[in-house]
Amino acid sequence: QPVLTQSSSASASLGSSVKLTCTLDSGHSSYIIAWHQQQPGEAPRFLMTVDSDGNFNKGSGLPERFSGSSSGADRYLTISNLQSEDETDYYCETWDTYSRVFGGGTKLIVL
Amino acid sequence: QVELVESGGGVVQPGRSLRLSCSASGFTFYSYDLLWVRQAPGKGLEWVALISYDGSDKYYADSVKGRFTISRDNSNKDTSKNTLYLQMDSLTPEDTAVYHCAREAGLFGNDPWIGYWGRGTLVTVSS
Repeated sequence: QPVLTQSSSASASLGSSVKLTCTLDSGHSSYIIAWHQQQPGEAPRFLMTVDSDGNFNKGSGLPERFSGSSSGADRYLTISNLQSEDETDYYCETWDTYSRVFGGGTKLIVL
Repeated sequence: QVELVESGGGVVQPGRSLRLSCSASGFTFYSYDLLWVRQAPGKGLEWVALISYDGSDKYYADSVKGRFTISRDNSNKDTSKNTLYLQMDSLTPEDTAVYHCAREAGLFGNDPWIGYWGRGTLVTVSS
């Protein structure tokens, strides 16, 4: 089954941009992934899917400052004009026929 | 709108059983694959189980295979009363987590990423 790797934390200043990375293992480098945001005590929220060509499809109501891209086995979530409410945890997800897989999550700190 | 509300969590002794429920509304329940995903305290998300839209296919994480059973009640065509279940047997302290119910994004498994999540119910396994 696929394996997803995320950095445990990232930080960026209020109003700036940050690019979070989710890396697929070499045997599954063409897979589509989904990004999810989880605020403490809340239900996670689907953000977008990102494919190997860098195409991204956002969930309903997601602000334009959220975007996706890709390079090789890496899938990115870019958040522009960072707001304080963006400080939370972000997870990537992928799948095969018989399982679902999550990355370990990235805690985003807005300075 | 899509709503998923979990219930049934609580404190249970090791080796005992617990059944979680997820009440779903706001969509055609019998047309979507559903999942359980858990999050241990201070840890990341872990997929637990998946059931196809018609209940014919069920898949489990290795960590729960043989102990947990996912099921669904598709018999009620009233969109306000549809339920997903997770029967958890032989519980261990490592099963302590918030258990989230989730729905795939697309109909009949065609868009298999998670599109909607519930807030979760806490299961604590402790003597």
